[in-house]
Amino acid sequence: NAGVMQNPRHLVRRRGQEARLRCSPMKGHSHVYWYRQLPEEGLKFMVYLQKENIIDESGMPKERFSAEFPKEGPSILRIQQVVRGDSAAYFCASARDRLATNEKLFFGSGTQLSVL
Amino acid sequence: KNEVEQSPQNLTAQEGEFITINCSYSVGISALHWLQQHPGGGIVSLFMLSSGKKKHGRLIATINIQEKHSSLHITASHPRDSAVYICAVIPYSGGGADGLTFGKGTHLIIQP
Repeated sequence: NAGVMQNPRHLVRRRGQEARLRCSPMKGHSHVYWYRQLPEEGLKFMVYLQKENIIDESGMPKERFSAEFPKEGPSILRIQQVVRGDSAAYFCASARDRLATNEKLFFGSGTQLSVL
Repeated sequence: KNEVEQSPQNLTAQEGEFITINCSYSVGISALHWLQQHPGGGIVSLFMLSSGKKKHGRLIATINIQEKHSSLHITASHPRDSAVYICAVIPYSGGGADGLTFGKGTHLIIQP
């Protein structure tokens, strides 16, 4: 049973380009969480998705950022028209059930986004 | 003020020492997680607590819900324990919100 798979590990974009970050949860996990870790800062919650539904996007910037978790395929975090301030490590985590039910969380290795 | 405060921010100790990392939070929670982030960036979930105490190998985690405080202990510390240890809570909202709120982490270095 492979762990949470994120790709790419490193992504370099120029200002104004689009960034697409992918996350394949562990087998049997239908709950996906995205977190961002800015340089020298702690992790911050961005969005929580359950298959085909966004449950909580309270941590996601209102503009340029979107997330999806389709019925088939990985969850995608999309950042349009990237700016230098978007440079960060983006982590995905998955669980079998909601965290509030005390489910254990499994993290991917993260995608390091660098905006030139 | 952050909702989750960790102390110390940085800790350097000698191999074999007993390590304690503290976490205090200011909101009602449904659970608390301790995470370990390795120098390469990968994050591993160590413990999930809603009450009492849990032990796994040389690691022990405790939580006091009334005092809104948790501790992570490492016995017989080893250089391979060097990592950033992160406390994270699930605020009790009663609604659909499910995101973790993180402390800034404790950077631990164990010297041989």
